[in-house]
Amino acid sequence: DQQVKQNSPSLSVQEGRISILNCDYTNSMFDYFLWYKKYPAEGPTFLISISSIKDKNEDGRFTVFLNKSAKHLSLHIVPSQPGDSAVYFCAASEGISGNTGKLIFGQGTTLQVKP
Amino acid sequence: EPEVTQTPSHQVTQMGQEVILRCVPISNHLYFYWYRQILGQKVEFLVSFYNNEISEKSEIFDDQFSVERPDGSNFTLKIRSTKLEDSAMYFCASSADRGADTQYFGPGTRLTVL
Repeated sequence: DQQVKQNSPSLSVQEGRISILNCDYTNSMFDYFLWYKKYPAEGPTFLISISSIKDKNEDGRFTVFLNKSAKHLSLHIVPSQPGDSAVYFCAASEGISGNTGKLIFGQGTTLQVKP
Repeated sequence: EPEVTQTPSHQVTQMGQEVILRCVPISNHLYFYWYRQILGQKVEFLVSFYNNEISEKSEIFDDQFSVERPDGSNFTLKIRSTKLEDSAMYFCASSADRGADTQYFGPGTRLTVL
């Protein structure tokens, strides 16, 4: 059941450049999306979210874009820093319409930012 | 900054034994969740809990699993008779509201079933 997919297992970028992480979903009932960052042996740390009524949300170096017609979202990190190196998870829920808040996660993308 | 805490950080148990994983959610949060991540796999939803009852549970959350909020601060996950395939990282999360609200995760408990 792959309702949320992150097709790139890994991404390597140079420090200072843009990192773009992608996520696709299949369930049209999803209306709330989140990005989490995870270091080994730690829990997921919330980064940024977006609801389906928006197509862009920005917080400092992090911007999330949502294309509902394509069922696609992306996380842009500008400029990338070595401390951003981690696994990034996309998650989705039937947030506004759903009752339970259950999050469905993608497989994760490992980002490496090289100094 | 408030955070979700979990104990123990690592639990080793023998197959067939009962384990209880403990979580202290963020104090003003009302919605609580358990997720797990088997090594190399994605994070999977187990159960959501609100107002002292389960809101939703996944297929993984069978009769061997139970959750409880025994007091005003703790939220526990019990596995009655552990199996080898229960070995995973177990994450507790909480949110102030359900639905379109951020879930904050604890650091996880690594459960190893031998």
